[in-house]
Amino acid sequence: DTGVSQDPRHKITKRGQNVTFRCDPISEHNRLYWYRQTLGQGPEFLTYFQNEAQLEKSRLLSDRFSAERPKGSFSTLEIQRTEQGDSAMYLCASSFIQGRETQYFGPGTRLLVL
Amino acid sequence: AQKITQTQPGMFVQEKEAVTLDCTYDTSDPSYGLFWYKQPSSGEMIFLIYQGSYDQQNATEGRYSLNFQKARKSANLVISASQLGDSAMYFCAMRDEGNKLVFGAGTILRVKS
Repeated sequence: DTGVSQDPRHKITKRGQNVTFRCDPISEHNRLYWYRQTLGQGPEFLTYFQNEAQLEKSRLLSDRFSAERPKGSFSTLEIQRTEQGDSAMYLCASSFIQGRETQYFGPGTRLLVL
Repeated sequence: AQKITQTQPGMFVQEKEAVTLDCTYDTSDPSYGLFWYKQPSSGEMIFLIYQGSYDQQNATEGRYSLNFQKARKSANLVISASQLGDSAMYFCAMRDEGNKLVFGAGTILRVKS
């Protein structure tokens, strides 16, 4: 059973560029979450999907952020016109909608905006 | 709104000794789940242990146990027989009614040999 995978693991970009991150959840998991973690802080929720439906978005998710999960499997998170404040670790997690619904996390994508 | 408080920014423990990491929470929801995650320097969040609000017994998973005191709204993590590999950041989290996790600020644990 493979875990959650994320690609790329690291991304350096210049301010104003667009970036896209991918997350592949554990195969039987129907919920997928995106979190953002800045240095020295706990992760903060951005958005989550149940199958292909985006059910909740945080106020942290500005108009420059968009997330998709088109076929209910992998998900992408796009940031348009990146700003230096977007520099963070972007974590993806998945869970199965039953019981305790433990969220299992991927290794994260570290974004640095110069 | 749910809130998690971890008051210990950093902790030291001698190898082979036990250590307790504190976590208090605030919620008005009678049904909730509490989680502890470990985050090594590599960045991946590793699930350690879960406690449900209606669970009658404190959760245990190998060397990890959860000291759950519902009336005090605390869910402290106890790590027994500490190992050098336990050095990491530890996060307490609560699942809210919307299914997302709300995290505390974390505690850095350093195990000394």
